[in-house]
Amino acid sequence: DQQVKQNSPSLSVQEGRISILNCDYTNSMFDYFLWYKKYPAEGPTFLISISSIKDKNEDGRFTVFLNKSAKHLSLHIVPSQPGDSAVYFCVAGDNAGNMLTFGGGTRLMVKP
Amino acid sequence: EPEVTQTPSHQVTQMGQEVILRCVPISNHLYFYWYRQILGQKVEFLVSFYNNEISEKSEIFDDQFSVERPDGSNFTLKIRSTKLEDSAMYFCASTRGLWDEQYFGPGTRLTVT
Repeated sequence: DQQVKQNSPSLSVQEGRISILNCDYTNSMFDYFLWYKKYPAEGPTFLISISSIKDKNEDGRFTVFLNKSAKHLSLHIVPSQPGDSAVYFCVAGDNAGNMLTFGGGTRLMVKP
Repeated sequence: EPEVTQTPSHQVTQMGQEVILRCVPISNHLYFYWYRQILGQKVEFLVSFYNNEISEKSEIFDDQFSVERPDGSNFTLKIRSTKLEDSAMYFCASTRGLWDEQYFGPGTRLTVT
């Protein structure tokens, strides 16, 4: 089941530069999208979300872009900081609002 | 800041035994969830729970699984007869309303031997 796909299992970025994490989805019923980050031995932590009626949402250093026609979203982190090093999950929710569908995750490493 | 808590952090059990994983959701949240992540695989939805009943469940959530909110604060996941393939990290989550972000607990690592 590959309804939400993160094609890059890992990404390495220099501190201060931009990190771009990408995600593709196949299910047209997905109504909203979220990014979660996860540190080892912790549960996923909510980062930012976007409704399917928007194409951009910004919160501080984090911006999520949604291209609904391409079924693609991306998370931009700028500037990247070493504390951003974590696994980032692209997550989709359907219009029933019950379950979340996770991508496989991208491990981001921000080097000082 | 309020958080979801889970106990135990690690549970080891023998195949065929029953296990109960416990969660305390955030106090004013109304919707509760269980997810699991088998090592090296994706986080998968198991079940959602609202108003003392299951709202939705996945194919994974078969008759061996059950959920309960016994006392208004705890939310439990029971696996009646564990199998080796039930070994995974189990995450509890809660939210105030549908389409709000779900808050996840730190997880319980279940190891079935």
